[in-house]
Amino acid sequence: GAVVSQHPSWVICKSGTSVKIECRSLDFQATTMFWYRQFPKQSLMLMATSNEGSKATYEQGVEKDKFLINHASLTLSTLTVTSAHPEDSSFYICSAREYSLDNSPLHFGNGTRLTVT
Amino acid sequence: DAKTTQPNSMESNEEEPVHLPCNHSTISGTDYIHWYRQLPSQGPEYVIHGLTSNVNNRMASLAIAEDRKSSTLILHRATLRDAAVYYCILRDVGYGGATNKLIFGTGTLLAVQP
Repeated sequence: GAVVSQHPSWVICKSGTSVKIECRSLDFQATTMFWYRQFPKQSLMLMATSNEGSKATYEQGVEKDKFLINHASLTLSTLTVTSAHPEDSSFYICSAREYSLDNSPLHFGNGTRLTVT
Repeated sequence: DAKTTQPNSMESNEEEPVHLPCNHSTISGTDYIHWYRQLPSQGPEYVIHGLTSNVNNRMASLAIAEDRKSSTLILHRATLRDAAVYYCILRDVGYGGATNKLIFGTGTLLAVQP
């Protein structure tokens, strides 16, 4: 079945540095990918929709200059957390849809746990 | 997207059926009902989805009320590996409907006892 791979699975960085997270669709092309963030004991919160070849669409309250999204190919989207701070520590999850049909299921990566010290 | 309401938590015994309810009283005619589950420290996993008719797949069954204001995810024989948070989500795919995105609610934490 369709697989979405996320890398790294965990990362620890110092406050003020930037971290890049990769999301790849391994056996299908994805014109649209989605980035979520999840804090402990909470549900997933959609951060942004990543569109291949165009600018990402950010949800209300998500700073686009802090969370840079690049979707340069049909199989790769990246999320860069710039100038990370401890409050950015969270579980970041990407997802992609295998087919263009609106009601087709989303496939999720296994997440990246970011810890900012 | 229309809102869904699920119990915060449920318990089940291993090898017994589990019925996970979801209320969606404001569902529109073009809303699909999707279920995903999330195991600890993993990304969500697709379980099943439907529009009006009941649906079955290898993982579960989805029973949709005739008025579509509620649905039930059925795990026929719970195993310890089914312990997860189960999310019921509505997606509007009608003309002019929102987008392809999924908005997650709080879900139901299912505990399975051996």
